[in-house]
Amino acid sequence: QSALTQPASVSGSPGQSITISCTGSTSDISTYNYVSWYQQHPGRAPKLIIFDVNNRPSGVSNRFSGSKSGNTASLTISWLQAEDESDYYCSSYTGSNSWVFGGGTKLTVL
Amino acid sequence: QITLRESGRTLVKPTETVTLTCTFSGFSLSTSEVGVGWIRQPPGKALEWLALIYWDGNKFYSPSLKSRLTITKDTSKNQVVLILTNMGPVDTATYYCARGLRHFDHWGQGTLITVSS
Repeated sequence: QSALTQPASVSGSPGQSITISCTGSTSDISTYNYVSWYQQHPGRAPKLIIFDVNNRPSGVSNRFSGSKSGNTASLTISWLQAEDESDYYCSSYTGSNSWVFGGGTKLTVL
Repeated sequence: QITLRESGRTLVKPTETVTLTCTFSGFSLSTSEVGVGWIRQPPGKALEWLALIYWDGNKFYSPSLKSRLTITKDTSKNQVVLILTNMGPVDTATYYCARGLRHFDHWGQGTLITVSS
C-alpha cells in the first residue's frame, strides 16, 4: 500500500493555529475511522496525540484536535507554542489487516 | 507503568537474518484487545509499519515485507519477537516496538539496526 501524503513542512508563529493534512484513498482514510497522529521530537520515539480520527489520549493538550473529510484527515494545533516544533505523522488502517503511515510533516514554530 | 524495550544485534551483514526482541511490562498479551507491533524508521525518513500480533495470536504483516517477516509472542516472558530475513542496506533503520491494536499508545525507545558489510 502507498504511504499517506502529508506536506513536507508547515510553519506558524506562537499563538497561531496550523493544520496538517493527510491524504489517503478510498481503501484507508475514507473508509475507516482509524486515523491516528503522532508527534516525534528529534531522537525520540513517536508519541500518540490523536486516535480514531479525533480522540486525544489522557494527558495530551486540548490544543491538538483531529478531523476527517473524505479521504483526507487533518491535525490542527491551536495556540501554537515553541514546544510544538516537531515532526508529525498520520497513520491509518488500510482494511487489509495492515496499517500505513504518512511521510511526515516538519512543523516549525517561527 | 507501561514500558517496552527493544533489543537485538545492532550491526548485521547483507543477506543475514536479524532477530529483534520486544520486552514489555505493565500489560499482558494474554489480555483481550491487546496487541504489540513493530514500526521502523530509516535515518531521516518516515515511519513504516511492519507487523502486529494480537492477544489471540492473529498476526498481520506489511504486504511489501510479508515474505521476509515473522512475528511471534511469548506471553509468559512478556516478549514479542520479530524476525527479518535477507537484510539489505535499505533495512538500516531504528526499529520500534509499540503497544496497540488500531493505534500505538506506548512505544519503546527504539534500536538502531545498521546493515553493512
